Amino acid sequence: AQTVTQSQPEMSVQEAETVTLSCTYDTSESDYYLFWYKQPPSRQMILVIRQEAYKQQNATENRFSVNFQKAAKSFSLKISDSQLGDAAMYFCAYASGANSKLTFGKGITLSVRP
Amino acid sequence: KAGVTQTPRYLIKTRGQQVTLSCSPISGHRSVSWYQQTPGQGLQFLFEYFSETQRNKGNFPGRFSGRQFSNSRSEMNVSTLELGDSALYLCASTGTGTGYNEKLFFGSGTQLSVL
Repeated sequence: AQTVTQSQPEMSVQEAETVTLSCTYDTSESDYYLFWYKQPPSRQMILVIRQEAYKQQNATENRFSVNFQKAAKSFSLKISDSQLGDAAMYFCAYASGANSKLTFGKGITLSVRP
Repeated sequence: KAGVTQTPRYLIKTRGQQVTLSCSPISGHRSVSWYQQTPGQGLQFLFEYFSETQRNKGNFPGRFSGRQFSNSRSEMNVSTLELGDSALYLCASTGTGTGYNEKLFFGSGTQLSVL
């Protein structure tokens, strides 16, 4: 079975600084996708960034980028120039290519200090 | 385009009762998935429906069931409620749900409290 591990329950970052959120996963599949979702107090899950396992290039979306280490099964999220609106829970998630089910990590609460 | 709509936002029930939650996907989306979110277990996949058929199911007891209508709207039902069923229930929709080259859109959830 696939598992996703987020070992840090909380992190804090100063506004305008950079923070990295860690995630590891375990799978025997070769075709899969990895995601970072943001859940603000409104509770709606918002997709931050997505990485296809077959792509070697790390995904980027504006201030958000990932460090995808396939051999190490590591998928970290880097947030640059942190803003107050980035404060939320962040979830790492996995989906295999042939399956519509998302497997989530436990999440990390990110706070941003002004 | 309207987003994924879940009703009601909040629900309070007592043990032993049953409950029905509703999810209206984004117009044109045919795949609807349901997730349960609790502080202890995190986010867990319940089931997914596509074109009125259950296509995938998580590891939940038979008290949890769902269905999808011809207009893609979906309902999930929990019978004989237990205290442990208290959770945020999230619904997500996507076009076809065939792999993740499509973006998954989530609703704001229904917060169920079982007393």
